[in-house]
Amino acid sequence: QVQVQESGPGLVKPAETLSLTCSVSGGSTTRSDYYWGWIRQPPGKGLEWIGSVYFSGSTHYNPSLKIRVSINTDTSKNKFFLKLTSVTAADTGVYYCARIASTGNYLLSWGQGILVTVSS
Amino acid sequence: SYVLTQPPSLSVSPGETAGITCGGNNIGSKSVHWYQQKPGQAPVRVIYLDSERPSGIPDRFSGSNSGNTATLTISRVEAGDEADYYCQVWDSRSDYLAFGGGTKLTVL
Repeated sequence: QVQVQESGPGLVKPAETLSLTCSVSGGSTTRSDYYWGWIRQPPGKGLEWIGSVYFSGSTHYNPSLKIRVSINTDTSKNKFFLKLTSVTAADTGVYYCARIASTGNYLLSWGQGILVTVSS
Repeated sequence: SYVLTQPPSLSVSPGETAGITCGGNNIGSKSVHWYQQKPGQAPVRVIYLDSERPSGIPDRFSGSNSGNTATLTISRVEAGDEADYYCQVWDSRSDYLAFGGGTKLTVL
């Protein structure tokens, strides 16, 4: 059973960079039958896709965040990463990493989520 | 980006059937997936590829998709079904993973 788990700071100052890590266990980040993504959820609101990274290293990003986001993988460590620059209070929320099926593009598994608060 | 529209809320009594809709332009040409989220928990997939159920999901959950509307149907609703439900698609034209705004299901 492939599992994913988020880690990183729970508090980030405005204008700084939010950096999160997703650790993959029970599977490999180099498999082609699934890929990896980040989703966030502001307090009391719905789910928002941030972006995805594929086994090849290629990425897709939400256009609303594209200029501030980067997602990459470290296959040697079986991890993938999220960086979101120039954060504001609007970036506060629970951040989830997820495994996504390549055929069908549905979320196979989610991490438990990590609450990130943007505040000085 | 591709827009998915869900009703914000739906209330049903125990034992009744709940139908949660997800509207999108020609959504019937896409694969639709549904997730259940209870307070303080990560979402759980309840339907994928329009009508497939993951193992462990009761057969009270079913899905359909045609035209401009996809529907998640929950038969014989139970108190434990009270949750937020989200639909999701991949739009290959814009390389965008879209979620609906979510529907809060209340069991009266």
